[in-house]
Amino acid sequence: QSALTQPVSVSGSPGQSITISCAGIRSDVGSYNLVSWYQQHPGKVPKLIIYEGIKRPPGVSSRFSGSKSGNTASLTISGLQAEDEADYYCSSYAGDSTLVFGGGTKMTVL
Amino acid sequence: QLQLQESGPGLVKPSETLSLSCTVSGDSIDTSSYYWGWVRQPPGKGLEWIGDVFYTGTTSYNPSLKSRVTIFVDTSKSQFSLKLTSVTAADTAMYYCARRRSFFYYMDVWGKGTPVTVSS
Repeated sequence: QSALTQPVSVSGSPGQSITISCAGIRSDVGSYNLVSWYQQHPGKVPKLIIYEGIKRPPGVSSRFSGSKSGNTASLTISGLQAEDEADYYCSSYAGDSTLVFGGGTKMTVL
Repeated sequence: QLQLQESGPGLVKPSETLSLSCTVSGDSIDTSSYYWGWVRQPPGKGLEWIGDVFYTGTTSYNPSLKSRVTIFVDTSKSQFSLKLTSVTAADTAMYYCARRRSFFYYMDVWGKGTPVTVSS
């Protein structure tokens, strides 16, 4: 079971859109629509922002959206705001009742 | 409103066993809709799934930790617990307990986390 691959860092200016990729393999991301995304501000608890690849929990801004193509899932943040600066983690079902996280991406608002 | 609260020693000696508990309040732990799990985060690093438990006692573990991990549930106390044996400095981390949706593998409620340091 290997960690999902995310870029170490991404950045964007306020108002712009950015996309964070999450590359897996056929037996995890590629086989199931069970990717979730978490936002973690420094020193804070991770917060679920996307589940089942594309769904948002109540209260999460519509500026966050998820998608998938093949073995790669993506998180897009549109209309970047200063408060979006955080670490973002993807995770996926990986078969045999296990779960795997990505390495995390530090998102900076310029 | 569901709340999860971790508890346990913040300092564990190398080669000993790390033991943590998570108390569930505000909702029932014996529900078929959720599993109850543990995630850790070493200082400055990413999240790592440790494993989870169903209220019936059924467990799932991260293959890389499976030989050292036990997760069990006590429904009478609304608690689930983690034991990690033969710890080393690499097990130093913030440990979070979390609720995981059955079948859908996302964690929607997290505890505040408890820091554990492995040191003599």
